[in-house]
Amino acid sequence: KAGVTQTPRYLIKTRGQQVTLSCSPISGHRSVSWYQQTPGQGLQFLFEYFSETQRNKGNFPGRFSGRQFSNSRSEMNVSTLELGDSALYLCASSGQELRENYGYTFGSGTRLTVV
Amino acid sequence: AQTVTQSQPEMSVQEAETVTLSCTYDTSESDYYLFWYKQPPSRQMILVIRQEAYKQQNATENRFSVNFQKAAKSFSLKISDSQLGDAAMYFCAYSRDSNYQLIWGAGTKLIIKP
Repeated sequence: KAGVTQTPRYLIKTRGQQVTLSCSPISGHRSVSWYQQTPGQGLQFLFEYFSETQRNKGNFPGRFSGRQFSNSRSEMNVSTLELGDSALYLCASSGQELRENYGYTFGSGTRLTVV
Repeated sequence: AQTVTQSQPEMSVQEAETVTLSCTYDTSESDYYLFWYKQPPSRQMILVIRQEAYKQQNATENRFSVNFQKAAKSFSLKISDSQLGDAAMYFCAYSRDSNYQLIWGAGTKLIIKP
């Protein structure tokens, strides 16, 4: 069973540009979440999508947006990049509706560097 | 607001010995989930163990076990017979329910000495 796939693995962008990151969840999983990981702030929740609808959103500016497609693949977009957006962006999928099996499976992340 | 605290930035242990990583959390909820995740240099976050707050029995997964103290809001991870492959960052995380975001601790870097 394929895991969570994030593309690209690495990305270098210039300040002011925009970027789109992609996440393909485990087959059958309908929930996809995004997290930002930085040395200073640690792991912070960005947003979560379920069946193409955003269910939860973290405390990030409107420059950060996302969407989910009918096949559950998700993209996140960051517009007008700032140096502080340099981070590892992790995607996680979850398909366990039963609480006994609840848990997220993570991808290997996209390392975004803004110069 | 819920918070998760890991007070040990780094821990080291001799191979084959036992180590315990600490985690405390704060919440006003009575039902929730707690997790330990491992992040090796490959960057992928790997679920180590899960505990549901309504279950009094401590979760175990092979060499990994937790000491869940609900009243004290403590959730420590014990790794027995430490192996070189256990070296990684370990994160404690909290989730209010199955549809809610994970709230993370700052992480503990575990070093295994051969």
